[in-house]
Parts: sequence; structure tokens; C-alpha cells
Amino acid sequence: DVQLTQSPSTLSASVGDRVTITCQASQDIRKYLNWYQQKPGKAPKLLIYDESNLKTGVPSRFSGSGSGTDFTLTIRGLQPEDIATYYCQQCDHLPVTFGGGTKVELK
Amino acid sequence: QMQLQESGPGLVKPSETLSLTCTVSGASITDFYWSWIRQPPGKGLEWIAFMYYSGTPNYNPSLKGRVTVSLDTSKNQFSLNLTSATAADTAVYYCARARVAGPKVWFDPWGQGTLATVSS
Repeated sequence: DVQLTQSPSTLSASVGDRVTITCQASQDIRKYLNWYQQKPGKAPKLLIYDESNLKTGVPSRFSGSGSGTDFTLTIRGLQPEDIATYYCQQCDHLPVTFGGGTKVELK
Repeated sequence: QMQLQESGPGLVKPSETLSLTCTVSGASITDFYWSWIRQPPGKGLEWIAFMYYSGTPNYNPSLKGRVTVSLDTSKNQFSLNLTSATAADTAVYYCARARVAGPKVWFDPWGQGTLATVSS
């Protein structure tokens, strides 16, 4: 199975900060990586698919980049409503796997 | 607008079968792939399976042998059965539409989730 390692596991930032979350795959997954946002007690929501495609309706302050084994989710100008846990998910190799999550907190 | 809603017993005894149903509204289940994903309390996400109404389901090998998914087109529902349940199967279970195109698979939207606890 492809292991996805997210870092950091927890991140503290202030409103307006640029936040970067990384996701490293244990083998080449080309560009087939997606990102989700999960708020406490809620289901995950798709943010980005295919490495960098923003789902319709997701604020443009979110962006994704990377390929191969190293990927990044960036939030430009953190907002209070962005406080959540973020997960990456790969689909190039079955079984589909998720990263362990990065919890973003307000400083 | 597509919506998904999970339902099923919240409590299952060890060694029994955990059975859940997802009811889809706003779309026909014959038009898309559908998936089950679970999340143990306080932990990360684990993909269970996805299927298309006319195809063979894809299962996570970690659960294969215990899990079966099926669709009921007459009710616009799909279901999960997990046999020989143990405490390790205690989790919030989510159903989701799976967007599948070659190697591309993502999940959107998701149901709100239902907690299934395995305990005597």
C-alpha cells in the first residue's frame, strides 16, 4: 500500500498567515493526489483534486502543487473558518489511502 | 443537489455483522460510483470499498473477506456488510460518491457519517 506522510501533524498559525502542509508518498503517485478539509464532528469535504484542481466553490486562497512523491497544500491568508484537519488522499495505486491528517489551529 | 444519508444500528455485538445503508437523493445511483470510508474515533480515514452498479466492487484488501457492498437500484440505496465485527471496527462510517476515471478517484460529496460501535 502507498503510505502518505503528512507534516506537520499539528500547525498553529494566525489569521492572515500563509500555511503550508506537505504530503509525502512512499512511492511515485504521479499527480493523483486529492485534499480534503474536515471540521470537528463533520464529514470531510473535497478541496482539491488531481493535485491542483480547485473544486468549484472552494476559496482561491487554497492551492495544491506537487507531483511524484511530494505534494503541498497552501492556504494564502488563513481565515478563522479554515480551522480544521486536512487530509491528503492518493488514488494512483489501489487501495486508496489517506494521510494521517494535519490539524490547523489558531495561534 | 446530491445528498447522502447513512443509516444502521449504532451498536453491534462482537462477531456479528455490521450492516449500514446509504440513501442517495438528488441523483440516480446508476449514474456514478459509490464508496464507503470509515474513521475510528480520533483517528484518520480508511477507504473500505467502491463500486459501480454494473461492475465488480473494489475492496480494501485489509478488509477483504469480511466486507460486501451492494446497490439497490429500486430504493436508490447502497449498502455495506462487515462480518465478524470486532472492537477495531468501531468507527464513524461515511458513504460518498466516488468520482472514478482511470487512476483518478476522489470522494465528493460525503454523507454526514454514522457511528457504529462494536461492543457487547
